Amino acid sequence: DAKTTQPTSMDCAEGRAANLPCNHSTISGNEYVYWYRQIHSQGPQYIIHGLKNNETNEMASLIITEDRKSSTLILPHATLRDTAVYYCIVRASNFGNEKLTFGTGTRLTIIP
Amino acid sequence: DTEVTQTPKHLVMGMTNKKSLKCEQHMGHRAMYWYKQKAKKPPELMFVYSYEKLSINESVPSRFSPECPNSSLLNLHLHALQPEDSALYLCASRGPLQNTEAFFGQGTRLTVV
Repeated sequence: DAKTTQPTSMDCAEGRAANLPCNHSTISGNEYVYWYRQIHSQGPQYIIHGLKNNETNEMASLIITEDRKSSTLILPHATLRDTAVYYCIVRASNFGNEKLTFGTGTRLTIIP
Repeated sequence: DTEVTQTPKHLVMGMTNKKSLKCEQHMGHRAMYWYKQKAKKPPELMFVYSYEKLSINESVPSRFSPECPNSSLLNLHLHALQPEDSALYLCASRGPLQNTEAFFGQGTRLTVV
């Protein structure tokens, strides 16, 4: 699976959009970009994933660059409950490749 | 039901004890995972079961022994652990389709004394 690089930490004001970047310059054609977050001492929570098109769901938007070498997770109106560690993961979708490997993630702090 | 249930939530064991962690899901998922997480570190993959067969072992010491008795249940048997094995142990499940997200349990907080 391709390696990802994320900033160690970020702050965002409550009510503003939080934009979390992720670099995955060695991503392969069949690899998806997944985002998870982990609130303190809880299990990781799935947020969103995509292959090459931008995606949006009730939690967030995912913007993937045209060359697929980087992506940005957008939380449109951050709340205090969005304070967590956010993980960007790249994994292949081919049958038999079940590995799901976490990088170091970004610690996002929402400031009141 | 979109839950992965882990029991117990907390476990304290001595270095000579034998204990087991349990993970259960009823979503029809066919891939199940064990992770170990130390404080302020990302989850570290230990084992993956795919269709009830062990498909990935990330060079985990033999004092950790996984078992998948059926498609809904995953166990992690613990024996002769060390204090440095104290951590949050997370279970996850995914599938059966390839392009799907993983669901995580809330973990078992293990303390080895």
